[in-house]
Amino acid sequence: GENVEQHPSTLSVQEGDSAVIKCTYSDSASNYFPWYKQELGKRPQLIIDIRSNVGEKKDQRIAVTLNKTAKHFSLHITETQPEDSAVYFCAAGGYGAQKLVFGQGTRLTINP
Amino acid sequence: EPEVTQTPSHQVTQMGQEVILRCVPISNHLYFYWYRQILGQKVEFLVSFYNNEISEKSEIFDDQFSVERPDGSNFTLKIRSTKLEDSAMYFCASSADSFNQPQHFGDGTRLSIL
Repeated sequence: GENVEQHPSTLSVQEGDSAVIKCTYSDSASNYFPWYKQELGKRPQLIIDIRSNVGEKKDQRIAVTLNKTAKHFSLHITETQPEDSAVYFCAAGGYGAQKLVFGQGTRLTINP
Repeated sequence: EPEVTQTPSHQVTQMGQEVILRCVPISNHLYFYWYRQILGQKVEFLVSFYNNEISEKSEIFDDQFSVERPDGSNFTLKIRSTKLEDSAMYFCASSADSFNQPQHFGDGTRLSIL
């Protein structure tokens, strides 16, 4: 089955700097890759997603890139702000009424 | 913006007891999911549900688990005889269709087994 690896497990950056979180997946049939942000005690909140027919997607300060050949995708956050501090999860899904397989999460801390 | 709602927010149950977790998916969504998250760990898939039947389930979703859509709005997860290791946050999610449509999560039910 699908396996998603996520790195790093913790990331600390200065406010205003960029943050990059990377994920790899194992199943070449996966074609949908969402990123969720989870604040303490709250629901995972979808922040951006990308489908396999696209290599990059951007939404204001957030971007995601996908390399299908290498089976990895990354989240980029630019001009980080304190409210970006949270745990970020990547996930991979496929066709059909599919499950999402999540990575282990990255705890991002933005230092003022 | 429509949301997935879950009740209760926190459930405390004695080991061996049955528990039912309730969810109201977003109204025009057709696909429903349950996930769980043990404290400090990643989110794990339990089951997906479409057209009144299970589409896919994980190894975690054994005979002690069942799901039901008892009416047009609710989606429930039942654990028949709870174990200590069932203690976790349980999230319900829904999506408009299955072809890579975003899954929207509820706020979760924290289940504590004593």
